[in-house]
Amino acid sequence: QVQLVQSGAEVKKPGASVKISCKASGFTFTRFFFHWVRQAPGQGLEWMGRVNPSDGSTVYAEKLQGRVTMARDTSTNTVYMELNSLRPEDTAMYYCEVITQGAWGQGTLVIVSS
Amino acid sequence: EIVVTQSPGTLSLSPGERATLSCRASQSVSSNYLAWYQQKPGQAPRLLIYGASNRATGIPDRFSGSGSGTDFTLTINRLEPEDFAVYYCQQYGSPSTFGPGTKVEIK
Repeated sequence: QVQLVQSGAEVKKPGASVKISCKASGFTFTRFFFHWVRQAPGQGLEWMGRVNPSDGSTVYAEKLQGRVTMARDTSTNTVYMELNSLRPEDTAMYYCEVITQGAWGQGTLVIVSS
Repeated sequence: EIVVTQSPGTLSLSPGERATLSCRASQSVSSNYLAWYQQKPGQAPRLLIYGASNRATGIPDRFSGSGSGTDFTLTINRLEPEDFAVYYCQQYGSPSTFGPGTKVEIK
C-alpha cells in the first residue's frame, strides 16, 4: 500500500540545521511531486515547498527561500528536507505529502530550543 | 503567491445536518488544483478531495467538492459524529498555499 515513512523527532538549538527524510513505497516514486508541510503547535498548515523526484527540481515558499533545501534519492525512493538557521518559531510537526496519492508521512516533530 | 481564505472560521452544526465550507483564492487556481483535507487532533491531515471535485480513495460519498476558478466549496451531507474536525483547503499550483481552516464543531 501507499506509504510515506519519516525519520524521527529532533531537538535542535537555535542556529542549527535539521534534515528530515521521507521514504516512499507502494507507488512509482518518480511520478508524483513530494510536498513538505509544517504545523506549529495549535496552528494551521504551512506549505514549505515541493520536489519533483523525476528531475530533482524544486519550488520553495518565499518565506523559507535561502533556508530550506529539498532533494531526492531515486536509489532509495527517499526525499529529504533540510532547514538551516533554525529559530524557536520553527518548532513544529513536519510532514511530507504526495497529494494525488492521498499520502502523508506520520510527521516528524522538530523542537528548537536553547 | 495565491492567498487562500476559508469561511466560516467555525461552523456549529448537529449530527445529520449539512455542512457547507467555502474556500476562496486571490487568483484563479490553475487546472483546478484544489484539495480539501480533514484533520483531527494529534493526527496528520487526511485527503478528502483533489482536483476540486474528485473524492480520494476510501472517502464516503457524503463528502463532495465543487467549484472552479477562485471559488470552491466542500459539502458534507448528513454529518456523522466522526466528521467534527478542522478542514483545510490547499491550492497546489506552484507555489502552493493552504487556507487557515474551518472548524466544524458540534452544536
